[in-house]
Amino acid sequence: GNSVTQMEGPVTLSEEAFLTINCTYTATGYPSLFWYVQYPGEGLQLLLKATKADDKGSNKGFEATYRKETTSFHLEKGSVQVSDSAVYFCALWNSGNTPLVFGKGTRLSVIA
Amino acid sequence: DAGVIQSPRHEVTEMGQEVTLRCKPISGHDYLFWYRQTMMRGLELLIYFNNNVPIDDSGMPEDRFSAKMPNASFSTLKIQPSEPRDSAVYFCASSPGVLGADTQYFGPGTRLTVL
Repeated sequence: GNSVTQMEGPVTLSEEAFLTINCTYTATGYPSLFWYVQYPGEGLQLLLKATKADDKGSNKGFEATYRKETTSFHLEKGSVQVSDSAVYFCALWNSGNTPLVFGKGTRLSVIA
Repeated sequence: DAGVIQSPRHEVTEMGQEVTLRCKPISGHDYLFWYRQTMMRGLELLIYFNNNVPIDDSGMPEDRFSAKMPNASFSTLKIQPSEPRDSAVYFCASSPGVLGADTQYFGPGTRLTVL
């Protein structure tokens, strides 16, 4: 079946540090991949997505590249800010009548 | 657009009471989803609707949970009777179409505490 595995949190970084949150997936065919972010006290919102192999999604300084050979979609940011503190969810959609499959989420805390 | 609207934002109730959570999706969206989020289990999909019709309720934990969507602009999730283990944040989300491929828009959530 379809599944997403992301690194366990929490992740604590100092401001301006480099961020990587790992995400790998299991799926048949060519799924679309997403990163959603949940800020404290809010619902999830789409951060970025990629729909085919080698695509790079980017938004707000975050990037993730769809790597089919390693079945990965790692989230990166070169310099994190305190305002990036949130929970980040990797998600997958495969074709057909199935909804998004979410990972368990990774909590990021950025300290000044 | 106001986004997905959920009410109430917080609910505190006693074990055995009936709880009703409400959701107004974004106008024009064909899909509506109910999720539950807890520290232990993360984000779980409970049920989703397409054009007001329930498509998959396999995530509903047990018969105490029920969900309805009487029209395109309103959905409810009901728990009767409630139990302490139902304490969680419940999210409603909607998307315009093409299940999964389109962005899901989440509401702010209802934090439920069952004493």
